[in-house]
Amino acid sequence: DAGVTQSPTHLIKTRGQQVTLRCSPKSGHDTVSWYQQALGQGPQFIFQYYEEEERQRGNFPDRFSGHQFPNYSSELNVNALLLGDSALYLCASSRSGANVLTFGAGSRLTVL
Amino acid sequence: SQELEQSPQSLIVQEGKNLTINCTSSKTLYGLYWYKQKYGEGLIFLMMLQKGGEEKSHEKITAKLDEKKQQSSLHITASQPSHAGIYLCGADSPGNTPLVFGKGTRLSVIA
Repeated sequence: DAGVTQSPTHLIKTRGQQVTLRCSPKSGHDTVSWYQQALGQGPQFIFQYYEEEERQRGNFPDRFSGHQFPNYSSELNVNALLLGDSALYLCASSRSGANVLTFGAGSRLTVL
Repeated sequence: SQELEQSPQSLIVQEGKNLTINCTSSKTLYGLYWYKQKYGEGLIFLMMLQKGGEEKSHEKITAKLDEKKQQSSLHITASQPSHAGIYLCGADSPGNTPLVFGKGTRLSVIA
């Protein structure tokens, strides 16, 4: 049974560009959460998707947007990249109402 | 908003030694979650605690939640190189709020 899969694993962008990260949740999970983890820090909550809608959002600017598809997979989009957006982006899935999250291995974004 | 403080920030122990990591909350904890992260990788769920005084164990790792539900500890007995990594505590609040995490404790185990 595959867990949470994320792609790409690594990517390098330049300031001002846009990036899309993808996530497939664990089988049986319907809720997807995205976190940003800067070097040496704990994960920071970006937003959560359930039933194709953004259910909750953390303290991130509108440059960060997302989407959930009917098959529960999700995308995270970041526009107008800044150097400070360099981080490990983690996707986590869960069953609705449960907070035991299953995390993917992450997508490491470097902005030059 | 809830804040979690972990101590120590980093820890180096000799293989076979015991160790304890602490997680203190600025508010009464509803649910407390312990995760382990290998450097630059995803988080692996270890244990969840909800009741004051609750204690859970898995292999050589024991997690406890104090009676007042404001502090949790993670204890590793007879540490092994496989225990090395970053240990993160996370907490949520009633109403299915998203998990808030501490900054983590980096554990190194040397032979």
